[in-house]
Amino acid sequence: DVKVTQSSRYLVKRTGEKVFLECVQDMDHENMFWYRQDPGLGLRLIYFSYDVKMKEKGDIPEGYSVSREKKERFSLILESASTNQTSMYLCASGADEKLFFGSGTQLSVL
Amino acid sequence: AQRVTQPEKLLSVFKGAPVELKCNYSYSGSPELFWYVQYSRQRLQLLLRHISRESIKGFTADLNKGETSFHLKKPFAQEEDSAMYYCALSGGYQKVTFGTGTKLQVIP
Repeated sequence: DVKVTQSSRYLVKRTGEKVFLECVQDMDHENMFWYRQDPGLGLRLIYFSYDVKMKEKGDIPEGYSVSREKKERFSLILESASTNQTSMYLCASGADEKLFFGSGTQLSVL
Repeated sequence: AQRVTQPEKLLSVFKGAPVELKCNYSYSGSPELFWYVQYSRQRLQLLLRHISRESIKGFTADLNKGETSFHLKKPFAQEEDSAMYYCALSGGYQKVTFGTGTKLQVIP
């Protein structure tokens, strides 16, 4: 079974803090994605990566950055967390355009 | 730009009734379309994709390029079908875009 693991299930941070969300996949997939999931807004793509050290902006990249130093790991970084970044963050990895999702990180920014 | 529209936030049907979850898309090329499902307290997972032309858990979806639609259908709803359903589109450069989702509630 494909495994996509997100390091934290719940995270509480303060406004202005730097936040790291980690995601690891074990299927040697080329593509990895970060989405945020909000009620009524669905899944919105923040960033994706199709290879090591390669990244592409999604639809809502503002306030976020990413890092992919190794194929299996894709990190999402909030440089200075703000309350409007309180959300469920979903990581996914993919092959042949089929995505496998992690269980999500519920981030609360106070 | 690629866009996916799911017009219904909530769809309530009685057990045994037919189900149709609507999805429309906007994309200038030839898209790959998918339906993903999230059951309560579970991960989002792939339900079906249009190129497979298969039926999963009794659900089917047909790509209509003229109407730019990819509606999800099931002839007889079951209680275990209650979940959040997302339509997704894969366009160029591996980018996968999701709709806003439809919550399906099957009433016993």
